[in-house]
Amino acid sequence: EPEVTQTPSHQVTQMGQEVILRCVPISNHLYFYWYRQILGQKVEFLVSFYNNEISEKSEIFDDQFSVERPDGSNFTLKIRSTKLEDSAMYFCASRRDGINYGYTFGSGTRLTVV
Amino acid sequence: QQQVKQSPQSLIVQKGGISIINCAYENTAFDYFPWYQQFPGKGPALLIAIRPDVSEKKEGRFTISFNKSAKQFSLHIMDSQPGDSATYFCAASKGGSQGNLIFGKGTKLSVKP
Repeated sequence: EPEVTQTPSHQVTQMGQEVILRCVPISNHLYFYWYRQILGQKVEFLVSFYNNEISEKSEIFDDQFSVERPDGSNFTLKIRSTKLEDSAMYFCASRRDGINYGYTFGSGTRLTVV
Repeated sequence: QQQVKQSPQSLIVQKGGISIINCAYENTAFDYFPWYQQFPGKGPALLIAIRPDVSEKKEGRFTISFNKSAKQFSLHIMDSQPGDSATYFCAASKGGSQGNLIFGKGTKLSVKP
């Protein structure tokens, strides 16, 4: 079964540093997403990406964040100048077009900001 | 209006019992209501989903009941098994090119042998 692949699985970074979280969505999917989950809390939408541009972003997704699809396969989330409160599990998801709106989530990257 | 409210926060069920998790929403523009299952250290995995034009959908031991007028939907897990122990999230989304999911806060289900 096709998977969404995320790397790394765990990243520790110093406060103020930049991190790039990487995702390889399922190849025939057209919509790409980043969600995050602070430990023990609900999954929160960050941003959606379609046709090489952001289609929607939440209020969490401020100027500190950016997304990119640098080639035909990777989808990245960059967090500039990380803060302690950015510590969370970050999930990439993708879905194909069509009525079923089925998402596939990756296993996530646990980001720890120290 | 964008919220999805989920209850209970945690649930303990005996093996073979029925697990019931409830969700409520306010935004009538939502047109897709999935349930996700999440095991520790893993991403949410789609379990079952429903659209508002039907009142019930069943897949194996999992059933979604949907009440459009009350803006509520629920997940029923029949014959609950210890392997069903996980956190369950309801979610809702609008159609079109957006489709971002609004999640409930999750229900931690423990099925006792």
